[in-house]
Amino acid sequence: GEDVEQSLFLSVREGDSSVINCTYTDSSSTYLYWYKQEPGAGLQLLTYIFSNMDMKQDQRLTVLLNKKDKHLSLRIADTQTGDSAIYFCAETSSAGGYQKVTFGTGTKLQVIP
Amino acid sequence: SAVISQKPSRDICQRGTSLTIQCQVDSQVTMMFWYRQQPGQSLTLIATANQGSEATYESGFVIDKFPISRPNLTFSTLTVSNMSPEDSSIYLCSVEAGQGIGSGYTFGSGTRLTVV
Repeated sequence: GEDVEQSLFLSVREGDSSVINCTYTDSSSTYLYWYKQEPGAGLQLLTYIFSNMDMKQDQRLTVLLNKKDKHLSLRIADTQTGDSAIYFCAETSSAGGYQKVTFGTGTKLQVIP
Repeated sequence: SAVISQKPSRDICQRGTSLTIQCQVDSQVTMMFWYRQQPGQSLTLIATANQGSEATYESGFVIDKFPISRPNLTFSTLTVSNMSPEDSSIYLCSVEAGQGIGSGYTFGSGTRLTVV
């Protein structure tokens, strides 16, 4: 089945850039997403990228996709303490005739003031 | 994009009892998804609920344990039946955020369940 992997933890200093990485196995993925989960909250969609793109920028967020290596990254510029959260990458695929979303293991980002 | 109201936000339940979680969406949606997030883990899809048909369950999840209702296009419930401490998790419902999968998925705020 589909598999999405992330490193578990990342610590950065406030003002630095954060790069969160994700690898996936499903070559038929259509969209890939980044979600943010703050403590005690649901998931918030941050950004997404279509599988035929290799980069997408949205304010402080930059998503890079290497489809050949099945590698996705999220770069947060000028990281702030409010960015501390768990970040999940997710990919969609059409399995069994319906869309299915598979989430990564999540990366806990700690921002040090 | 769609807004979901999920309740209860948290509950502490005795083993052997059942809990029903509700999700109300502010717009009509075809599919609603139910996820489980065990402590420190990622999200695992439990089932997909379409209005007017039986829910489709993922491997490892069965209807007797997690019965789902979908009476209309804006509402769904998930029941966690005959609970044990291993069911302690966050349960989340989700719908497509807008038009097409490119708009991503919106999530409810989650139900934090503790079984004692």
